[in-house]
Amino acid sequence: ELKVEQNPLFLSMQEGKNYTIYCNYSTTSDRLYWYRQDPGKSLESLFVLLSNGAVKQEGRLMASLDTKARLSTLHITAAVHDLSATYFCAGTYYGGATNKLIFGTGTLLAVQP
Amino acid sequence: DAGITQSPRHKVTETGTPVTLRCHQTENHRYMYWYRQDPGHGLRLIHYSYGVKDTDKGEVSDGYSVSRSKTEDFLLTLESATSSQTSVYFCAISSGDSYEQYFGPGTRLTVT
Repeated sequence: ELKVEQNPLFLSMQEGKNYTIYCNYSTTSDRLYWYRQDPGKSLESLFVLLSNGAVKQEGRLMASLDTKARLSTLHITAAVHDLSATYFCAGTYYGGATNKLIFGTGTLLAVQP
Repeated sequence: DAGITQSPRHKVTETGTPVTLRCHQTENHRYMYWYRQDPGHGLRLIHYSYGVKDTDKGEVSDGYSVSRSKTEDFLLTLESATSSQTSVYFCAISSGDSYEQYFGPGTRLTVT
């Protein structure tokens, strides 16, 4: 059974600083997703990582995947207040008639001015 | 944004009453999913559909049923709501089972 763990659960950081969110998963996952959620809003897809060594970047966010270590990271460079949100990673496993997403519990990121 | 709407967006109901939540899509995607979001648990899959009249259970399906009579609509029913079903419910859609899921705006349900 796939389990996904994120850490830290809460991250308070200053603007301009760098930090990394970690996502560990317990068994093989075909792909790894990162989502962003603003308070009271829906989930917005950020990245889909398909293979070992995959790296994707969008603005100040960069996601990577190491399938051998069963680890994905979301790196934040020079944080700005607009990045404050909850970030979720999700792995996939095939069961029943479809691939299913298993979410981590989320990392609440608060960027302080 | 993917064309997904959920209704109602907010609902307060009493324990023991039936509740139906609706997810409507305009993307003609084959796969539709219902999740619930609770603090400390992330999102958990309740039920999903892989075609009209084709549905299956997810991780936390007890107390929930679903129906899909048309491609565009996926209904989630709580036959007899309990306080433990107080949550935010999200619908998601996907064009293929290996493709990204796109999420609706959510429904906040409170069972008193």
